[in-house]
Amino acid sequence: QKEVEQDPGPLSVPEGAIVSLNCTYSNSAFQYFMWYRQYSRKGPELLMYTYSSGNKEDGRFTAQVDKSSKYISLFIRDSQPSDSATYLCASPGGPPNDYKLSFGAGTTVTVRA
Amino acid sequence: KAGVTQTPRYLIKTRGQQVTLSCSPISGHRSVSWYQQTPGQGLQFLFEYFSETQRNKGNFPGRFSGRQFSNSRSEMNVSTLELGDSALYLCASSWTSEDTQYFGPGTRLTVL
Repeated sequence: QKEVEQDPGPLSVPEGAIVSLNCTYSNSAFQYFMWYRQYSRKGPELLMYTYSSGNKEDGRFTAQVDKSSKYISLFIRDSQPSDSATYLCASPGGPPNDYKLSFGAGTTVTVRA
Repeated sequence: KAGVTQTPRYLIKTRGQQVTLSCSPISGHRSVSWYQQTPGQGLQFLFEYFSETQRNKGNFPGRFSGRQFSNSRSEMNVSTLELGDSALYLCASSWTSEDTQYFGPGTRLTVL
């Protein structure tokens, strides 16, 4: 079983819709959580970084962490065609493995114009 | 500031050959990690280097190796290539192991 589970989708939504992405994790040592966005033929780029339970907003993006249920989410409001990409959740796992990111499978999102 | 660069971007090899991939981290970053990305397994951690020392290694066979130079540039080597080694190999750098990792564009390796 992977330490981070993510539904690979694919997910297709019309422009302007809210995109909801979810991951679950099994390792209680996980303290930090990231969302990366990966466009086709590109490397992942960091989108959001969260530490504590609760919500964190950055423009149209909201990351949510619920450590009690080991559940992390990413919401994209007013989605645009340029948001079409694969979204990956990840956690570094905590010391001594801070540099070893465990990734979810990635969810491929298509926003239709 | 320049991002993480990886060379070459594309590579085609045949089974049994060996390959060396190169990664130049963001200036000032001392930690370099390598990942393998495949459609079936997703992104998997290979190894991490900090100040020329390998500090952690993922669950890959010994055919996968790496090193880091004093200027923090890193190389990874895969010997005796197998068809299953076809993948996107990603390098990520950060200031220290606790910091956010920034990824390069990757090297796409195809083994025929």
